[in-house]
Amino acid sequence: EPEVTQTPSHQVTQMGQEVILRCVPISNHLYFYWYRQILGQKVEFLVSFYNNEISEKSEIFDDQFSVERPDGSNFTLKIRSTKLEDSAMYFCASSEGYNTDTQYFGPGTRLTVL
Amino acid sequence: QKEVEQNSGPLSVPEGAIASLNCTYSDRVSQSFFWYRQYSGKSPELIMSIYSNGDKEDGRFTAQLNKASQYVSLLIRDSQPSDSATYLCAVGKSNTGNQFYFGTGTSLTVIP
Repeated sequence: EPEVTQTPSHQVTQMGQEVILRCVPISNHLYFYWYRQILGQKVEFLVSFYNNEISEKSEIFDDQFSVERPDGSNFTLKIRSTKLEDSAMYFCASSEGYNTDTQYFGPGTRLTVL
Repeated sequence: QKEVEQNSGPLSVPEGAIASLNCTYSDRVSQSFFWYRQYSGKSPELIMSIYSNGDKEDGRFTAQLNKASQYVSLLIRDSQPSDSATYLCAVGKSNTGNQFYFGTGTSLTVIP
């Protein structure tokens, strides 16, 4: 069964450093997402991406964040200058269609900022 | 007002019993509803989606939606210890594209 994959599973970085989280969405899906979940809190939407551009973003997704689809399979989230409060699980998701279609989640990347 | 609210629990049921999980949402334009299961340290795993009022059954799981009351529930029949997890309610709205709003989740423990 097709699934979303993410690398790395765990990333440790120093405050102020840049990190890139990688995702490979399900191959026939057209819509891609990043969510985050701070330990003990709810899953929060960051951004959605379609046709090589951002279709929606939340207040969390400020100028330190960016997304890119550098090739036909990968989807990346870059955090330019990490802060302690960026420590969280970051989930990539994808969906076949738009606007309420089921989103399937990857296993997540645990980001720890020291 | 929170977009999606769930009773955080914990909810404990004996093995073989019915577990009932509830979720309310605040925005009437919400049009898609999902239940995900999340084991500790893992990602959300889809259990069911529901779009229309009424019941939808899939194996031991039944989702119920009442748009007039802005209420969605999940029933788990013949609960098993492997069902012990946090259950997340997620809602999609017609006017905010494809962003899902998640509740904080209900922790379920099935006691053998």
